[in-house]
Amino acid sequence: TQLLEQSPQFLSIQEGENLTVYCNSSSVFSSLQWYRQEPGEGPVLLVTVVTGGEVKKLKRLTFQFGDARKDSSLHITAAQPGDTGLYLCAGRQPNDYKLSFGAGTTVTVRA
Amino acid sequence: NAGVMQNPRHLVRRRGQEARLRCSPMKGHSHVYWYRQLPEEGLKFMVYLQKENIIDESGMPKERFSAEFPKEGPSILRIQQVVRGDSAAYFCASSPPGQIFEGYTFGSGTRLTVV
Repeated sequence: TQLLEQSPQFLSIQEGENLTVYCNSSSVFSSLQWYRQEPGEGPVLLVTVVTGGEVKKLKRLTFQFGDARKDSSLHITAAQPGDTGLYLCAGRQPNDYKLSFGAGTTVTVRA
Repeated sequence: NAGVMQNPRHLVRRRGQEARLRCSPMKGHSHVYWYRQLPEEGLKFMVYLQKENIIDESGMPKERFSAEFPKEGPSILRIQQVVRGDSAAYFCASSPPGQIFEGYTFGSGTRLTVV
């Protein structure tokens, strides 16, 4: 079983539409990160959130950390084909240094 | 600045052979982490090393797998007597000292195929 559950597993939308990816857990995390991975490459860090309720924006991407630090969401506004990829959330539990990854959400943005 | 360098990018081994995967961390990074990625399962932690020290190998299979990070040279993940189930993408990540709780920088991975 995954410590972090991501949903949906797959998401296909038209260019210009909005999308939201969810990352949920029953465990508390000291920090949570979002990565994007393209085929044949390693994950690339997008953002780290550390404070419950924190919201971070990166151009058209908005990341939110839940108040209880158990969940997070990634919202993309006006998606573009360049946003296509595998989005991974990863959390670090208190007093640990390992990251636990979700299984990922494959996002496809059609032109 | 060069990122995390992994080689080879692709490795094909017959069952029973040995696989050696190399990882050179970013300049100034002294912490190295190895993760394995299977389809639709996300990345699974394997081992965390600092120079000449294995800090946590709780994610490593007990047999056939070993890792090292010598004083000089890259970190090596070694898989002896490979089996088909070892086929996966293996990623190395590094972080600088004092910032191990921040985001990782990942390499491009080594895709191991056991035939």
